[in-house]
Amino acid sequence: QVQLQESGPGLVKPSETLSLTCTVSGDSIDSGGYFWTWIRQYPGKGLEWIGNIYYTGTTYYNTSLKSRISISVDMSKNQFSLRLTSVTAADTAVYYCARGGVVTTSLKFGPWGQGTLVTVSS
Amino acid sequence: QSMLTQPPSASGTPGQRVTISCSGRYSNIGSNSAYWYQQLPGTAPKLLIHSTNERPSGVPDRFSGSKSGTSASLAISGLRSEDEADYYCAAWDDSLSGPVFGGGTKVTVL
Repeated sequence: QVQLQESGPGLVKPSETLSLTCTVSGDSIDSGGYFWTWIRQYPGKGLEWIGNIYYTGTTYYNTSLKSRISISVDMSKNQFSLRLTSVTAADTAVYYCARGGVVTTSLKFGPWGQGTLVTVSS
Repeated sequence: QSMLTQPPSASGTPGQRVTISCSGRYSNIGSNSAYWYQQLPGTAPKLLIHSTNERPSGVPDRFSGSKSGTSASLAISGLRSEDEADYYCAAWDDSLSGPVFGGGTKVTVL
């Protein structure tokens, strides 16, 4: 059974960098075949795709966030990570990691992690 | 503001059929498959429909998807109390080169 688990600080100060890690179990990121994805959900419940990564390191980012985000993979730990710089209160959300589709245009996201709430506040 | 437009709420009594609409553009729903996610309270979204009208293994056939032009629809037939949840549509957008989501529809079973 494939499981994903997000980890990272729940509180980040404005202008600082948000860093989250997703640990995958039950599947190997480097086995290929899937994109690994970050999605966030705002307090008002809207969902936003952040970006994804393939085991080769190929990444695709939301164009509205592209200048601030970086997604990387650590295959030795079977983890992938998100960095979001210069955060503001508008970045407050529940952040989910999920296994994506076999191509970047596939939106077959699942399974998902349980999600982690990140609040941006001083 | 979401790229795909859904009604904020929908409701029905047990056994009824409920339909949720999702309006988009040629660059998303008009050109690509629609997806639907169900989010039960306090949980992560779960894939309900992919490729516009395909159900993943384990999803009851009470759930069905369709598309016409730049709009997609999710139908829930034989509504049950456990169907009370938020439902989100999604599609790849060729103009943005990324996925877009609807704002979500809260389904209430009366």
